[in-house]
Amino acid sequence: GQNIDQPTEMTATEGAIVQINCTYQTSGFNGLFWYQQHAGEAPTFLSYNVLDGLEEKGRFSSFLSRSKGYSYLLLKELQMKDSASYLCAAKDSNYQLIWGAGTKLIIKP
Amino acid sequence: SAVISQKPSRDICQRGTSLTIQCQVDSQVTMMFWYRQQPGQSLTLIATANQGSEATYESGFVIDKFPISRPNLTFSTLTVSNMSPEDSSIYLCSVEVGQGRTGELFFGEGSRLTVL
Repeated sequence: GQNIDQPTEMTATEGAIVQINCTYQTSGFNGLFWYQQHAGEAPTFLSYNVLDGLEEKGRFSSFLSRSKGYSYLLLKELQMKDSASYLCAAKDSNYQLIWGAGTKLIIKP
Repeated sequence: SAVISQKPSRDICQRGTSLTIQCQVDSQVTMMFWYRQQPGQSLTLIATANQGSEATYESGFVIDKFPISRPNLTFSTLTVSNMSPEDSSIYLCSVEVGQGRTGELFFGEGSRLTVL
């Protein structure tokens, strides 16, 4: 079956760095997405990886290893506003999105 | 990008009634997606709505329970029929923007339904 695994919850300190891991098993692969979702709001797009390697976008970076079925989202210089759920999603061979359950990130001052 | 307006934003409904959620996009899109997100959980795709054809439903969702309309390229509705407390959830519409089928999704603000 198809599956996405990511930690349920993580806690980090303001100003620090946190890495949220995601492993996936899909029938075929057409890219890995990360979305941010603040409580009570809709998800918003953060990043897309389809090739191996690191994609950097400001304080956020996303990494992909297709051979390992693994991705991570790296958040630097954490701010209180980064407290949110982070959803990992992979597209399978039919371009269907398989969603992880999300990682709730708690930032402490 | 895409701007999606969804309404109602929230509603409290009685068991056995039906509610229609509307989704308006500021640009023409081929496919619109309807998701459900239950408290503390991730997104579950209900169906994909294509203009001019029947919606495609995912396993566990049926047209009688979740009828969908897609009258044009900027608008869609999802009806939650004969509601029960188990239907209490956030319902989200979304569209895909970008090249081919690997584009990012944009979401409406969501409709939070509580069924008593």
